[in-house]
Order: sequence, then structure tokens, then C-alpha cells
Amino acid sequence: AQSVTQPDIHITVSEGASLELRCNYSYGATPYLFWYVQSPGQGLQLLLKYFSGDTLVQGIKGFEAEFKRSQSSFNLRKPSVHWSDAAEYFCAVGAPSGGNEKLTFGTGTRLTIIP
Amino acid sequence: DTEVTQTPKHLVMGMTNKKSLKCEQHMGHRAMYWYKQKAKKPPELMFVYSYEKLSINESVPSRFSPECPNSSLLNLHLHALQPEDSALYLCASSQDLTAWETQYFGPGTRLLVL
Repeated sequence: AQSVTQPDIHITVSEGASLELRCNYSYGATPYLFWYVQSPGQGLQLLLKYFSGDTLVQGIKGFEAEFKRSQSSFNLRKPSVHWSDAAEYFCAVGAPSGGNEKLTFGTGTRLTIIP
Repeated sequence: DTEVTQTPKHLVMGMTNKKSLKCEQHMGHRAMYWYKQKAKKPPELMFVYSYEKLSINESVPSRFSPECPNSSLLNLHLHALQPEDSALYLCASSQDLTAWETQYFGPGTRLLVL
């Protein structure tokens, strides 16, 4: 079965600084990888996804992520964060599980932005 | 239009009440999902419908009863809930039930069981 690890529970970054959120996955084949963002009290919004091709993926709101098969990682980056980026970020892997295909989410990373 | 709508936004119910959560999408998606999310936790999958048939039930207690009346609507009927069922209930939809499809989430219904 697939699994996702987000090692950082909480990250604090100054506004304007760069950001990297870590995600490691476990899956036997090439996984389908997603990053979702959730603002407080809201649903989840897709930032970007990877399933084949170029390993550097561009998403919305200036985010990008790089798939590294050798490290089983799919880290999310942004060169300069804005106060509105404060939210919970979930990495997820989509893979067949028990005959049914579904998303498996990591535990999330809460991002705090300080002025 | 990539919107999934959920009603109500908030719901307070007693343990003997019966209530329903409603989810709607008009994107022509054929897979619809119910998730439960506790505070500071990731969403947990509860049910999946594909082409209006129940495809996945993640061993959810029978006090939760899903229904898919048509391809645009998904309901979750609640009966005799427990206080530990208090959570944010998220609905999502995707083009179909395949691992690479993007799931589009609604804003959720925040449920409090007293």
C-alpha cells in the first residue's frame, strides 16, 4: 500500500522569504503525486500534480514541485511567500489500493507567515 | 465552473437527531466522495460513488448512510451520531475514479454533535 510522509508539522517563514515543504512517498511504481492547500475552515484546493513527463511541475499561486524518484520525494517550493500563503498543506499520492484507486494524504504541514 | 457546493455550512445536532448533508457539482464528474476531517488531521475517506454506484465504503459505521440520487448530487444521511463524529465533512468530485484524476473539494460542512 502507498504512504506519504510530511516530516514537518509546522513551519514558520518570514514574508518574502523562500519556502520548501517536504514530502516523501512510498509506492512500488510511479505514483501520481498531488499538493493541496487548505485555508482555515475551508475545503482543499489543488496546487499542482505530477503523473509523468517533466519532473519539475508548475502550479497555481507561484508554487512549484520537483519529483525525485531516487529520493522518493515531491517537495513543494515557492521563491517568495506572501501572508496569504498561510494555510495547511497536504501532499497526497494517488495509487491503486485494494483494487480501488484513491488518494492517500500525508499528515499535513501548517505554514505560518510572519511579517 | 470547478465548484463543488455543500449545504449546510454548519450543523449542530443531538445524538437522537436525523439530519442530512448535501453536496452538488455540475462539472459532469462521475466520481463523488465523502471525507471526514478532524482538527489538525488530514481528510479521511469515507465513501466513494462512481457512476452513481457505491464503489468504496471505508468501513464507516452504519449511522452514516450515503446516497447518490443522480450524477450531480451526493447526500450523507446522519442518524444517532456520537460526539466523536463532530468534524468537518468534505465532499469532493473527480472526472472518474482513477488515481490521476484531480479531486475538487467543496468548502465542507462543520458538524457538531451534542
